[in-house]
Amino acid sequence: DIQMTQSPSTLSASVGDRVTITCRASQTIGTWMAWYQQKPGKAPKLLLYKASSLQSGVPSRFSGSGSGTEFTLTISSLQPEDFATYYCQQYNSYLWTFGQGTKVEIK
Amino acid sequence: QVQLQESGPGLVKPSETLSLTCTVSGGSVSNGSSYWTWIRQSPGTGLEWIGYIYYSGNTNYNPSLKSRVTISGDTSKNQFSLKLTSLTTADTAIYYCARGPGWGSIDSWGQGTLVTVSS
Repeated sequence: DIQMTQSPSTLSASVGDRVTITCRASQTIGTWMAWYQQKPGKAPKLLLYKASSLQSGVPSRFSGSGSGTEFTLTISSLQPEDFATYYCQQYNSYLWTFGQGTKVEIK
Repeated sequence: QVQLQESGPGLVKPSETLSLTCTVSGGSVSNGSSYWTWIRQSPGTGLEWIGYIYYSGNTNYNPSLKSRVTISGDTSKNQFSLKLTSLTTADTAIYYCARGPGWGSIDSWGQGTLVTVSS
């Protein structure tokens, strides 16, 4: 199985901050990476796919980068509605796996 | 805009079989290129991909669950279903049905249904 390790597990930030979340894969996955946002009691929402492609309707303050084994999700200017938990997901192999999540909290 | 809705029991006994159905609207389960997927989420294990059925009917399952899982589709009702046998308390989770418009990423999710395994 390809293991996905996100860091940090929790992040405290203020509105307007630039926020970066990292996801590392246990083996190379090319750019077969997606990022999701989940709010309490809701299903995850797709933000980015193919590592850096923005899903339709997602604000441009969200961006993704990386290839191989190291990937980042960046929020350029944190907004109040962005406080949530973020997950990465690899789909390079026939077993799709998720990271353990990064909770973005209000500082 | 594809919408998905899970249905099924909220409480199941250990050793029994869980059956969940996902009803799709705004799209067709026989639509080319879509992956109709089941994912579950529990506090202990986070998000876990269970498996998918491709529009063609091909299936793929998480190896850790493969011996207990069956995903099937019903094009006449525009639904797809999950069966998970030999339940234990470790199977307690929120179960989501979802769609991948192509390989891997998932752009549409149901609201999720909580399944508790308990006697």
